[in-house]
Amino acid sequence: EADIYQTPRYLVIGTGKKITLECSQTMGHDKMYWYQQDPGMELHLIHYSYGVNSTEKGDLSSESTVSRIRTEHFPLTLESARPSHTSQYLCASSGAGGPFNEQFFGPGTRLTVL
Amino acid sequence: AQTVTQSQPEMSVQEAETVTLSCTYDTSESDYYLFWYKQPPSRQMILVIRQEAYKQQNATENRFSVNFQKAAKSFSLKISDSQLGDAAMYFCAYSGTYKYIFGTGTRLKVLA
Repeated sequence: EADIYQTPRYLVIGTGKKITLECSQTMGHDKMYWYQQDPGMELHLIHYSYGVNSTEKGDLSSESTVSRIRTEHFPLTLESARPSHTSQYLCASSGAGGPFNEQFFGPGTRLTVL
Repeated sequence: AQTVTQSQPEMSVQEAETVTLSCTYDTSESDYYLFWYKQPPSRQMILVIRQEAYKQQNATENRFSVNFQKAAKSFSLKISDSQLGDAAMYFCAYSGTYKYIFGTGTRLKVLA
């Protein structure tokens, strides 16, 4: 079944740890996005990719980094987690045909940094 | 630059009643899409309805319909016969040539 997956769903980690949030989609979409969202609040675009080996920073400055080595995989990495990184991270993807397409969202990863 | 504004942080509606969520946007582009997304508590964001700017006819999906006023740059969502399952955050979104922009969201509460 075509879908978009995020792991882990919940993560509690100590300050200074390196973490990677995984995002995979089986829809063959070329565009993928990472958003940061505090619970019940607006979405902030932090990274996006329009294809393999293409990544760009979004509107909200973030200390995280991303990579896009395979079409279906778009992981986000924090080299040294801090309490200010506590938030929900949503991954999304959209298909070919320009930016007009619907974005499909994953279930999110809720990150807590102690 | 394109912007999307949702001026209602929170709305309430009685079950079975109708509610309208507001969204305004600003753009100089002539070709774009507008969307409403729904994010239920602790659940995945999903698309509710989409409108293509070049189509004058308002989009409709079952109990959900939009009032698209292109000249006024307004794109409101009407939910008819509201149900408890409609309770969620609703995000208006604009998609143009280069940008995909979400509004700040409206939390909808449905009262039994």
